[in-house]
Amino acid sequence: SAVISQKPSRDICQRGTSLTIQCQVDSQVTMMFWYRQQPGQSLTLIATANQGSEATYESGFVIDKFPISRPNLTFSTLTVSNMSPEDSSIYLCSVEERGSGSYEQYFGPGTRLTVT
Amino acid sequence: GENVEQHPSTLSVQEGDSAVIKCTYSDSASNYFPWYKQELGKGPQLIIDIRSNVGEKKDQRIAVTLNKTAKHFSLHITETQPEDSAVYFCAPLRWGGAGTASKLTFGTGTRLQVTL
Repeated sequence: SAVISQKPSRDICQRGTSLTIQCQVDSQVTMMFWYRQQPGQSLTLIATANQGSEATYESGFVIDKFPISRPNLTFSTLTVSNMSPEDSSIYLCSVEERGSGSYEQYFGPGTRLTVT
Repeated sequence: GENVEQHPSTLSVQEGDSAVIKCTYSDSASNYFPWYKQELGKGPQLIIDIRSNVGEKKDQRIAVTLNKTAKHFSLHITETQPEDSAVYFCAPLRWGGAGTASKLTFGTGTRLQVTL
């Protein structure tokens, strides 16, 4: 399975600022995903990032707030812009692996963001 | 969209006992049924999955059973150990074709506590 790393692992930020989270995969993947996990909650998909095209955002998430870059097949960034305390969450990237008749999705360790 | 519910939300068992978590979904076209384990401070880890053409799958102490007619699947953990303590998520998915993103919809989560 793919090995995924994220930077930073955690951060404390002031409201009104922005933070860019990096996601690195040890193999080339087509689709990468960004999720948000609010404290004590389940995971919610923010957007899907396909290399070479604009990210596709889920309902309730917009590009101005969560711009995403996907410059190559092993890397992606998510920016949380103009942060407020409500953005305090764990942000996770994931990748899918497809084989002949198989499908699996793997997750990075997450970035724990606290906005004060 | 897919509506996914898990029961129970919390589960406490004694070491050595069995644990069962049930996941109910709404999208009859879902064809891939994974379970994830999330330990404190970590990203979700894929522990077992099943496809729609299979009724049961076992991997050592864990198993997953699927009832497509009733639209539910369950995680079974036997001979539980303290290291099984974590939050477990189901995430049914409609596996799309090549070039299409397949989105996981996460359940509400079950916190499993294995006591000595």
